[in-house]
Amino acid sequence: EAGVAQSPRYKIIEKRQSVAFWCNPISGHATLYWYQQILGQGPKLLIQFQNNGVVDDSQLPKDRFSAERLKGVDSTLKIQPAKLEDSAVYLCASRALAGGPLQYFGPGTRLTVT
Amino acid sequence: AQSVTQLDSQVPVFEEAPVELRCNYSSSVSVYLFWYVQYPNQGLQLLLKYLSGSTLVKGINGFEAEFNKSQTSFHLRKPSVHISDTAEYFCAVSNYQGAQKLVFGQGTRLTINP
Repeated sequence: EAGVAQSPRYKIIEKRQSVAFWCNPISGHATLYWYQQILGQGPKLLIQFQNNGVVDDSQLPKDRFSAERLKGVDSTLKIQPAKLEDSAVYLCASRALAGGPLQYFGPGTRLTVT
Repeated sequence: AQSVTQLDSQVPVFEEAPVELRCNYSSSVSVYLFWYVQYPNQGLQLLLKYLSGSTLVKGINGFEAEFNKSQTSFHLRKPSVHISDTAEYFCAVSNYQGAQKLVFGQGTRLTINP
């Protein structure tokens, strides 16, 4: 079974530019999460989808971050415009509805904003 | 709301010595408990989980953890560490119901010295 795929793995941009990250969850997993992990901290949830609907986006900075999961499979997270403090690893995770609480994580995208 | 406190930000130990990484949590409802490991430039890998039943849980790579409800703790232990155990370790909780998002601690960096 293929794991959670993310791309790109690394991205360097200048502040005020825009960037997008892509995530492909494990096949059949209805729930998808995006986490932000700032250096030296634990991951923090940004947004959770169930199928193509948003379950929780309370910690998503909506003035600059957006995310979508149009067909209930792949998801894209966008930052526009980026700030220096957005430098972090962005982790995608997925969970099967009938699979209990276990989340499976992708390798992450490391974003550096200069 | 839940919160997780990892009591040590860094733990240096010698190879083949025992180690304990401490985790305390706070929650007004019952929770699931997890330990994840993160190797450099990689995503999160599940070490072990407590869902219900026996309070002593065993995970991969010889790690185990004990759930103590009265002390709201879930400390991770290994009787003899190896150089390959050098990594960042994260304790996390999720609630039984609802969104089941993961709330992470700040992480503990385990460094194994030869």
